[in-house]
Amino acid sequence: KAGVTQTPRYLIKTRGQQVTLSCSPISGHRSVSWYQQTPGQGLQFLFEYFSETQRNKGNFPGRFSGRQFSNSRSEMNVSTLELGDSALYLCASRISGSYNEQFFGPGTRLTVL
Amino acid sequence: QKEVEQNSGPLSVPEGAIASLNCTYSDRGSQSFFWYRQYSGKSPELIMSIYSNGDKEDGRFTAQLNKASQYVSLLIRDSQPSDSATYLCAVNRDSSASKIIFGSGTRLSIRP
Repeated sequence: KAGVTQTPRYLIKTRGQQVTLSCSPISGHRSVSWYQQTPGQGLQFLFEYFSETQRNKGNFPGRFSGRQFSNSRSEMNVSTLELGDSALYLCASRISGSYNEQFFGPGTRLTVL
Repeated sequence: QKEVEQNSGPLSVPEGAIASLNCTYSDRGSQSFFWYRQYSGKSPELIMSIYSNGDKEDGRFTAQLNKASQYVSLLIRDSQPSDSATYLCAVNRDSSASKIIFGSGTRLSIRP
């Protein structure tokens, strides 16, 4: 079974631009979560989508948004990029519930210049 | 107090010894617990999950959970240089499933 895939793997943007990242979960997984990982802050939860609905949200500004499609694929958008948005963005999927294990994709490395 | 706390390390263990990694969490209602291994520049890889008090063994790995004391640990027996990585403890806080909180990770170094 194929794992979680993320595109693109690497991205370079300049301040003020916007970016869209894509995530395809493991087949049969309906929950997709997004995380930001930086050396200083560690792994921080952005939001989770389940059945096209945002189920939970972390403490990030409204510039960070996401959505999920009917096939469970998810996109994350960051508008008006800031230097501090440079990070590894990770997507993770699981079947649905709290007892289900969550698996990560390879991540998208975003650099904001 | 952080929701999930881990000693940042680095923890240095000789090859062949037992590495012991610890994690404490603040929410008594937490339901499920996970250990991830992350190599430098890579994404986290799930290595163990545990849901009830006691020990759970999988190969060289043993996860231990004590809900009364609010801690979870990971033991790695017969440590190998390939075990050198950062180990992340993750806790699912609520039964509605949505929010998993990660600790900041413990860097483990296995010295030959």
